[in-house]
Formats: sequence, C-alpha cells, structure tokens
Amino acid sequence: GAVVSQHPSRVICKSGTSVKIECRSLDFQATTMFWYRQFPKQSLMLMATSNEGSKATYEQGVEKDKFLINHASLTLSTLTVTSAHPEDSSFYICSARPGQFQPQHFGDGTRLSIL
Amino acid sequence: EDKVVQSPLSLVVHEGDTVTLNCSYEVTNFRSLLWYKQEKKAPTFLFMLTSSGIEKKSGRLSSILDKKELFSILNITATQTGDSAVYLCAVSPFDNDMRFGAGTRLTVKP
Repeated sequence: GAVVSQHPSRVICKSGTSVKIECRSLDFQATTMFWYRQFPKQSLMLMATSNEGSKATYEQGVEKDKFLINHASLTLSTLTVTSAHPEDSSFYICSARPGQFQPQHFGDGTRLSIL
Repeated sequence: EDKVVQSPLSLVVHEGDTVTLNCSYEVTNFRSLLWYKQEKKAPTFLFMLTSSGIEKKSGRLSSILDKKELFSILNITATQTGDSAVYLCAVSPFDNDMRFGAGTRLTVKP
C-alpha cells in the first residue's frame, strides 16, 4: 500500500519552457502532499507543502510565481516550473502520506534538465 | 533553527560487515524520526520512530531512538551489495513536514 506515482520521470527542454510535473497517490487519499528538490549528492530540500483545495505553503526562498502548485483533488498535486531556466535543472520529488501521523511515501522523482 | 546531522557522510565496507549509521537532531516540537533508503530514484521508507528505547527491526536492519540525547542509530548486519545506497534521516515536528539530514552514502563491496 501507500504508492505514490510521479510523472514524467525525465524532462529535457529548452530554456523558457514551462514544465508540469504530476504527483498521484494511487491507493490512498492525501489532503497534503509535499514537493522537494534535490541537487546532486545533496539531501532533499522541502520546497512547498501542497494542500488540497487551498493555497500551497512555500518554504522561505522558494518563488511561488516560479513554482506553481495545484492540488485540485485528494489524489493529485501538480508542480509547474514556469519559464524554466538552466538553474532550475534538478531532481524534483513529491511525497504524500496516508494519514496525518503516517510516514511520507515518495514518488520516483522527475529529473529536469533545462538546456 | 531545526537541524538534522548525520554521520558518517560516507562509509565503505565489505559484504558481511555490520554498520551503524548515526543521526542527531535539534528540532522544536519533535514528533517522529524517520529513516529512508535512497538508491537511484526517490527514497523508500524504512522506519518511523516516535518513542525512546523501542527498537524497530526489519530483517537485517534495525533502528532505535534516544529522545533524551536527541539521537538515533540505524544498524545493518551482514551487509550485502544491495544495501549500497544513501540512507537519509528525517525529523518531523508537529507541523508535519520533514527536515532531512545530508545522508550517509554506504558502499558495500563484494
């Protein structure tokens, strides 16, 4: 149980393109999902907490206009990297948990490369 | 400021060895500590610890939490090459997000 699916797994695109990443909880409902970013050989950095039916909560230093989060249903959250530039290239990972005090389970991540 | 410190940062052992990975933390309103294993993709959940002194076990892996010393260890016995990964420690305060340590990169040689 507690499977989280993330799509796409790999994106390569030109600078200026907007990229949408989807995160789905397949066998449970998630009122809260989390988006992380990971640079090579570094740990996961929380970007934002996605709340179903309301605005996302962004961590300090994360541009909300750059990283648009939508959590329109209990099983889907999307992260859109708007007008992506090479410095946005990274590994983006989402997570969700089956209940408020349950561990978070991660999707397989999306490797984003902006040329 | 919340802090999660893992040690060592990297470790190379041979198959059959036993390893101990360390995680210390400073966080307000501590609720739980979690261990994850990350290979090539995203982390997979290993353990969640909320109470001091209660060991959690899964096969060759075990973990324990000391809330007085703000410390947890992850033990792996009889290591195998498939144990090679980055092991991440994360602490979750009562507001429910997680703060990750930098991870310990474990390499198990045949």
